[in-house]
Parts: sequence; C-alpha cells; structure tokens
Amino acid sequence: EAGVAQSPRYKIIEKRQSVAFWCNPISGHATLYWYQQILGQGPKLLIQFQNNGVVDDSQLPKDRFSAERLKGVDSTLKIQPAKLEDSAVYLCASSLRPVGFGNTEAFFGQGTRLTVV
Amino acid sequence: RKEVEQDPGPFNVPEGATVAFNCTYSNSASQSFFWYRQDCRKEPKLLMSVYSSGNEDGRFTAQLNRASQYISLLIRDSKLSDSATYLCVSNRQGQGNLIFGKGTKLSVKP
Repeated sequence: EAGVAQSPRYKIIEKRQSVAFWCNPISGHATLYWYQQILGQGPKLLIQFQNNGVVDDSQLPKDRFSAERLKGVDSTLKIQPAKLEDSAVYLCASSLRPVGFGNTEAFFGQGTRLTVV
Repeated sequence: RKEVEQDPGPFNVPEGATVAFNCTYSNSASQSFFWYRQDCRKEPKLLMSVYSSGNEDGRFTAQLNRASQYISLLIRDSKLSDSATYLCVSNRQGQGNLIFGKGTKLSVKP
C-alpha cells in the first residue's frame, strides 16, 4: 500500500518569498492533517481536513499560511510571505477517519524540510 | 504549560538496559494516548496505543494512569535499533487530531 506522499522533500527560500507544499494522502483516507515540526520539538497541528472541509485550523497563522483540499484528496499548504521562524519540517498525515474514533491510526509522510534564510 | 510534557532526555543507555519514559498530560478531556517513534530525519510512526489496563508488545510496555494523568513507556533489553526519539501523544475527546509532546531522545550504545 502506498504511503502518504509529499513534495518537495527540501526547500530553501529567502524570507518574504512564498512557498507551497503538496500532499497526496493514502487512498481512501478522508482525514488529512498538516503538522509543523520545529527542530527539537514535537509536531504541532496546523490544520485538519475532513474530506474537503476544514475541521480545525485554530493554530494556523492565517495571516501568512493557507491550505486547501479542493477535491477531498490532495492538499496544498502555502506560506506567503515566509519568515525565518517558519523554518521547520512540514508533515502531512492522513487517516481513514479522525483519530480517536475507533482504532484509527494516522500515517505520516516523510515531510518537507523548509529552510528560510 | 504544554498539554503533553515529557522527560527532556537524552537517555544514553547500554545495550540490554531497561529504560522508562514518563509523560504527563494536563487536559482531563484527553481520551486516547499513544507512543510514536521518530528516527532521525524521518516521519513519526505509531509504536503503540496506550490503554488504561496497560499493554505490552514484545519488549515494550505502556501504562496509563488517568487519576494522575500520567503515561509511561518501558523498554526492556534495549537494542541498538531502539535508538530514536519517542513522542508521547494524546487525543482529546471529540477532537480527531493528535497532540504531541516534545519527545525524548534515546541512544542505545554497544
């Protein structure tokens, strides 16, 4: 079974530039998450989708971050403009249904490592 | 205060040692708990879920104490391949996402 696919794997940009990340979840997974993991920290939820609707975006810095999942499958996360503190690994995860409902497991992609200089 | 707090580590242990990780959570609405493992520069992967009755998977034992809001992971007979960061994770009732602790790094030495 194919896992969660993310691209690009690495990205280096200058501050104030924009960047976009792409995620293709496991086939059939209705729930998709974007997490930000800063070096030395645990992942922090940015946004959660259920099909193509946003369930939780309370920790998404909406002045610069945006995300969409238009057809309920692939998703993109955008940062515009980037700041130095956005340097992190951006992890996409998917699950059949929201975690906590039955024995649902979330599967993570390998992440996109963003460096803002 | 972070919702999920872990021992800061790092833990440096010899092969064959027993090592225990502790974790506390602050939100009483937390419903489900997990331990994830993250290898260097890799994605987190589920190691095991944590049940109130405690559960064991080979050399790994997880315990949950809801009264103390405390979770633990015990690794017996440590292997070199156990070297990784162990993330304590909770899920709040009615919220379908994961809340991660900072992680504890384990290095098992020959």
